[in-house]
Amino acid sequence: AQTVTQSQPEMSVQEAETVTLSCTYDTSESDYYLFWYKQPPSRQMILVIRQEAYKQQNATENRFSVNFQKAAKSFSLKISDSQLGDAAMYFCAYSTRGGAQKLVFGQGTRLTINP
Amino acid sequence: EPEVTQTPSHQVTQMGQEVILRCVPISNHLYFYWYRQILGQKVEFLVSFYNNEISEKSEIFDDQFSVERPDGSNFTLKIRSTKLEDSAMYFCATLAGGYEQYFGPGTRLTVT
Repeated sequence: AQTVTQSQPEMSVQEAETVTLSCTYDTSESDYYLFWYKQPPSRQMILVIRQEAYKQQNATENRFSVNFQKAAKSFSLKISDSQLGDAAMYFCAYSTRGGAQKLVFGQGTRLTINP
Repeated sequence: EPEVTQTPSHQVTQMGQEVILRCVPISNHLYFYWYRQILGQKVEFLVSFYNNEISEKSEIFDDQFSVERPDGSNFTLKIRSTKLEDSAMYFCATLAGGYEQYFGPGTRLTVT
């Protein structure tokens, strides 16, 4: 079974600084997707960024980028120029590329932005 | 932009009662999911639904749970006899066929 692990329950960063959230996963599949979701206090799940495992190039979305290390099964999220609105729970998630494509989530990292 | 809607936003029920949580998927989406998040914990997969049948379910999704798409638009999750430990946020998500699951805003279920 696939598992996703986030080893940092909480992180904090100064506004305008850069922070990196860690995620590792375990799978025997060779083709899959990885995601970072943001969950603000409203508890809505918002997709931040995704990575296809077959792509070597790391995904970027504006201030958000990932460091995808397939051999190490590592998928970290870097947030540059942190803003107060980035404060939220961040969940790393995995899904297979075919089949039911259910999402398997990590435990989450609570990110606090200090003004 | 199309969105997934869920009703009610908050449901309070007594232990042993039946509840039905409703989701309206995005119209051209083919895959439907229910996830659960107990307060302070991670989001857990419950069930996936495709072509009018369950395609996968987790060990959480026991005989007390059922899903259906009664009228071709709504997608429902029924809990037959609620327990205290069913208190959680329940999210519906839908997928067109690519990779991005679109999440609804969730239904907060409180069992007393």
